[in-house]
Formats: sequence, C-alpha cells, structure tokens
Amino acid sequence: GAVVSQHPSWVICKSGTSVKIECRSLDFQATTMFWYRQFPKQSLMLMATSNEGSKATYEQGVEKDKFLINHASLTLSTLTVTSAHPEDSSFYICSASEWGPNQPQHFGDGTRLSIL
Amino acid sequence: KNEVEQSPQNLTAQEGEFITINCSYSVGISALHWLQQHPGGGIVSLFMLSSGKKKHGRLIATINIQEKHSSLHITASHPRDSAVYICAVRSSGGEKLTFGTGTRLTIIP
Repeated sequence: GAVVSQHPSWVICKSGTSVKIECRSLDFQATTMFWYRQFPKQSLMLMATSNEGSKATYEQGVEKDKFLINHASLTLSTLTVTSAHPEDSSFYICSASEWGPNQPQHFGDGTRLSIL
Repeated sequence: KNEVEQSPQNLTAQEGEFITINCSYSVGISALHWLQQHPGGGIVSLFMLSSGKKKHGRLIATINIQEKHSSLHITASHPRDSAVYICAVRSSGGEKLTFGTGTRLTIIP
C-alpha cells in the first residue's frame, strides 16, 4: 500500500518552456503533499507544502510565481515550473501523507528536469 | 551546525558485513524516518520510529530519545543494499521533515 506515482520521470526541454509534474497517491487520500528539490549529492530541500483545497505554503526563497503548485484533489498535486531556465534543472520529488498526527510521508520516484 | 547529522558520509564494505549508520539530531522530535534513495533517485521509506527499535528483514532501526540518536543497522549486507541512506526528523508539533545529508553505502561483492 501507500504508493505515490510521479510523472514524468524525466523531461528535457528548451529554455522558456513551462513544465508540469504530477504527483498522485494511488491507494490513499493525500491530505498533505510536499514538493522537494534535490541537487546532485545534496540532501532534499523542501520547496512547498500543499494541503488539499488550500494554497500552498512556500519555503523562504522559493518563488511562488515560478513554481506553481496545485492540490485540487485528495489524490493529485501538480508542480508547474514556469518559463524554465537552465538553473531550474534539478531532481524534483514529491511526497504525500494522509490526514492525522504522525502520518508517514510516502515518496514518489522523482522527476529529473533538464533545461537546455 | 545542522539539526540532523549523519555519519559516516560514505561507507564501503564487503558483502556480508554488518553495517551501522548513525544519526544525531538537536531538536525535539515526534518521529524519525530512515529513507533509502536508489541511484535512480527514487526514495523508499524504511522505518518511521519514535521510540525503541524496529526490525524489517535484515534492517534494524533503533532510537534513543534521551540521547537524540538513532542507528540503522544492516545485517548480512548485499550489493543490492548499495544506496544513499537518509535520516529525517519531524520536529514536535510540525509536519515538515528535516533531512540529514545522507550516507552513501557501497557494498562490494
């Protein structure tokens, strides 16, 4: 149980393109979803937390207009990197947790984004 | 000083060896996670614990709340255990995780 599917697993696109990444909980209701970014050989960095039906809470230094997060249902959250540039190239990974105290986070397989 | 410190950063061992990875943290927590990240990037949650000890197959995780320390042990290590192991803590009253920098484990056949 507790499977999180992330799509696409990798994407290569030209500078200026907007890229949408999907994160789905397949067998549970994800009240809260988290979006992380990871640079090579570094740890995960939380970008934002989203609760179903609410606006996402962004971490300090993360541009809201650059990284658009939508969590419109209990099984789907999307991250859109708008007008992507080479410096946005990174590994993006989502996690999801059910409602309630001390619920574990279940991670997707990540999306490797390369902007040319 | 990071809130979550892991040691060692890198570990290479022979197949069959007993492996220990350590995690120390400096904040009050409600839970500690041990995660495994494979070379492709995907992350698997191995354990979530708030006290005592948990065992799953060849993996054992322990936590000492008073000493703010946790260990992950792997018995009879195998090359397929090669991965980055990450310790992450959830602070008391919060939902965010704070991650350690990871331990890169390589098991040589």
